[in-house]
Amino acid sequence: DVKVTQSSRYLVKRTGEKVFLECVQDMDHENMFWYRQDPGLGLRLIYFSYDVKMKEKGDIPEGYSVSREKKERFSLILESASTNQTSMYLCASISGTGAEKLFFGSGTQLSVL
Amino acid sequence: KQEVTQIPAALSVPEGENLVLNCSFTDSAIYNLQWFRQDPGKGLTSLLLIQSSQREQTSGRLNASLDKSSGRSTLYIAASQPGDSATYLCAVMNTGNQFYFGTGTSLTVIP
Repeated sequence: DVKVTQSSRYLVKRTGEKVFLECVQDMDHENMFWYRQDPGLGLRLIYFSYDVKMKEKGDIPEGYSVSREKKERFSLILESASTNQTSMYLCASISGTGAEKLFFGSGTQLSVL
Repeated sequence: KQEVTQIPAALSVPEGENLVLNCSFTDSAIYNLQWFRQDPGKGLTSLLLIQSSQREQTSGRLNASLDKSSGRSTLYIAASQPGDSATYLCAVMNTGNQFYFGTGTSLTVIP
C-alpha cells in the first residue's frame, strides 16, 4: 500500500523561526499537496506540485513556500513562523491519472509560540 | 467555486445501529468523490472512491452512493461499532486534480 511519511508528528517552534516540514511518498506519484487543517475551517490547500520543480499556489499560500527537488519529496517551508500558523499540517499524494485514491500522511501538529 | 457540505456536523448513535452520513456539492462536474476517515490527531484514510460514472461502491460494512446530477453522496455504515467512532469527510475532485473537502461529520458510536 502507498505510504506517505511526514517527518514529524509534533513540532514546537518560536515566532520568527524558519520551519521545514518534510513529506515523502513511496509510490512514484506525480502530484503532491500540502494542506492545513483547523477546527471549523476544514482542510485548506496551501500549495501543490504536479511534477519535480513544479508548484502551484493553493488557497492560502501567504507565509509559506515549497520545494520539490525529487519526485518523492515535497517540503513545506514557513519562512518566518507566526502564531497564526499553529495548525495541523497534512501532506497528500496521488498518481497523475487522478483515478486513484488520495493518500495522506499522518500529519504534523505544529505549535508556534 | 466548488463547495462541499456535510450534515450533520456531529452524530451519536448506539452500537449496532445502521446510519447514513450525507455529503452535498454545488458543481456536478466532478471527476470522482472520496470518503475519508480521520481519527483524532491523525491523517485521513481513504475509505471509498467513486468515479463520476459510478453510482456506488462497497467495502465491508460501508456503502457509498453518488448522485452526480443532484450533487449528493451518502455513506451508509451498517451495524455500527464503537471502533467506527471517528470523523468522516467527503471530498470531490474536479479536473486538474483539484480537491474540495467537506468539514466532516464527527461520529460517536456508544457501546
